[in-house]
Order: sequence, then structure tokens, then C-alpha cells
Amino acid sequence: DAGVTQSPTHLIKTRGQQVTLRCSPKSGHDTVSWYQQALGQGPQFIFQYYEEEERQRGNFPDRFSGHQFPNYSSELNVNALLLGDSALYLCASSAYREGTYGYTFGSGTRLTVV
Amino acid sequence: AQSVAQPEDQVNVAEGNPLTVKCTYSVSGNPYLFWYVQYPNRGLQFLLKYITGDNLVKGSYGFEAEFNKSQTSFHLKKPSALVSDSALYFCAVRAYSGNTPLVFGKGTRLSVIA
Repeated sequence: DAGVTQSPTHLIKTRGQQVTLRCSPKSGHDTVSWYQQALGQGPQFIFQYYEEEERQRGNFPDRFSGHQFPNYSSELNVNALLLGDSALYLCASSAYREGTYGYTFGSGTRLTVV
Repeated sequence: AQSVAQPEDQVNVAEGNPLTVKCTYSVSGNPYLFWYVQYPNRGLQFLLKYITGDNLVKGSYGFEAEFNKSQTSFHLKKPSALVSDSALYFCAVRAYSGNTPLVFGKGTRLSVIA
């Protein structure tokens, strides 16, 4: 049973560019949440997708956007990259109707903005 | 609003000694509480959760945590530390109602010394 898969593992982008990160949830999960983990910090909630809609959003600017596809996979897009966007981006999946049971996390995408 | 405090940035313990990693939380209503562990350049791995019931929760790798409602705490414990337990530990909370996202503490780095 595959867990949460994220791609790519690492990438380097230049300031001002745009980036797309991808996430495939664990089998049986229909909800995807994205987190940003800056160096030395705890994960910060970006947004959550369920039924192809953004359901909740953390305190992140509109440069951060997302999408969920009918197969429950998800993308995180970041426009106009800043140096401060350098972080580990974590995707977590869960079953919406079993929300009590926490998340399964992927290994993350390490984004470096230069 | 939900929040988690992990008051110690670093905990050092000798191998074979008991360990405690502290966590206090703030949430409206009843909490769902979680502990995750992160190894270098990896995502978050689930250790244990408290949903309801017994205040002492047992999890993976010999870890346990005690829910204390009056002190709003959920400290992580292990009777005998191993060098391989050295990692970054995160406490997280979410509210009982709705499908609210997990809110994480800033993490505590555990170092077990041989």
C-alpha cells in the first residue's frame, strides 16, 4: 500500500520564477493538506483540499495556490518566488470522514530559491 | 485559535535513561493530540495520538504520552532512550470539531548520548 508520494524531491529555482510541486495521497485518502517547514521551524499550514476545492487556508499570500484532481492528487504552485520561500514542503493526506486520525505525510520537496 | 508550545529546543539524555519531551496546547473544546518524529531530510513519521479514552497513550518504538487535561499537556516519554531515538520531535493539535488542520509546535531536538 503506497504511502504519500511527493515530487520532485529537490529543486532549485531563481527568485521571481514559478514552481509546481506534486503530491499523490495514500490509497483510500481523499484530502490533501500542504505544509511549509522552514529550517529550524515546525510545519506551517498552507491549505487543504477536499473534493477539488480549497477548504481551509493558513496565513499564506495569494502567491501560493493549489489544485486537486479527480484522482485526489494535488499540486502546490508558488508564483514570484522569494528567497524566503526556501523550505521543505510537506504534503499530508487524510480521509475526510475520518479526520480524527491525523495525517500521513510524504517525505517532502526541498525547495531552494537562489 | 489552536496552538502548541514545546518549551525546549533541545533535550539531551544518556542512552538507557528515561526521556521526556514536553508539550502544552491550547484549543477550543476537546483536543486531538499527536506526536510526530522527523529524521534528517525526511518527512514526518507518526508516533502516537490521543483522541479520547485512556490518558496514557502507547505508540511506536516504545514511546508513550500522557494526556493531562487540567495542565493542557501531552508530554512524550520513553522509559529507556536509544541512540537511534535522536531526531526532531513535533507535537501537534487539532480541534475536536470539524476537519481543522493540524497545528504544530516548533519542535524539540532530542539527542541521546551513548
